[in-house]
Amino acid sequence: NAGVTQTPKFQVLKTGQSMTLQCAQDMNHEYMSWYRQDPGMGLRLIHYSVGAGITDQGEVPNGYNVSRSTTEDFPLRLLSAAPSQTSVYFCASSYPGSYNEQFFGPGTRLTVL
Amino acid sequence: AQSVSQHNHHVILSEAASLELGCNYSYGGTVNLFWYVQYPGQHLQLLLKYFSGDPLVKGIKGFEAEFIKSKFSFNLRKPSVQWSDTAEYFCAVSAYSSASKIIFGSGTRLSIRP
Repeated sequence: NAGVTQTPKFQVLKTGQSMTLQCAQDMNHEYMSWYRQDPGMGLRLIHYSVGAGITDQGEVPNGYNVSRSTTEDFPLRLLSAAPSQTSVYFCASSYPGSYNEQFFGPGTRLTVL
Repeated sequence: AQSVSQHNHHVILSEAASLELGCNYSYGGTVNLFWYVQYPGQHLQLLLKYFSGDPLVKGIKGFEAEFIKSKFSFNLRKPSVQWSDTAEYFCAVSAYSSASKIIFGSGTRLSIRP
């Protein structure tokens, strides 16, 4: 199993550009989440999903969209990138019965100029 | 909604010293509690978790945590730290009724002097 994979590893955008961060997992986990990590602020939940077709907002959803068309994939879309979205983004998955033990991907470091 | 506070932002210890990192959560119902660790350049991995039963939970690498319900606390401890414990530590909570949503604290950076 590859676990949770994320692409790209690094990305530089200009203000106003859009892009999609990819996340995939091959563990058949129902739950998937997106976090951003900023110095001194820990991990903040952006969006999460409890299964294909079901998503919900986390703590900091503004400026981000998600969809969950399959169990495996959970892409995060930045509609119009802003410098405030410069961060490291982590995708995670878990399954019911694991008491929400999260399995994390390696992260995407995004810089918005 | 649940929230997590980690009051120690940066802790510096010498090798063999004892460690205790504080974690307090805010939520009135039943919770699941976690400690994750992020070693330099790596992604987060689970140290230990509590969901029910014995409030003293043992994890990997000699870490343990104690759930004190009356204090809404879940402090992480290790009797003798090593240089390899240098990392950032995150406490996290999920409500039992909404187990798919997990909230993290701001993290504590631990530096160990050799």
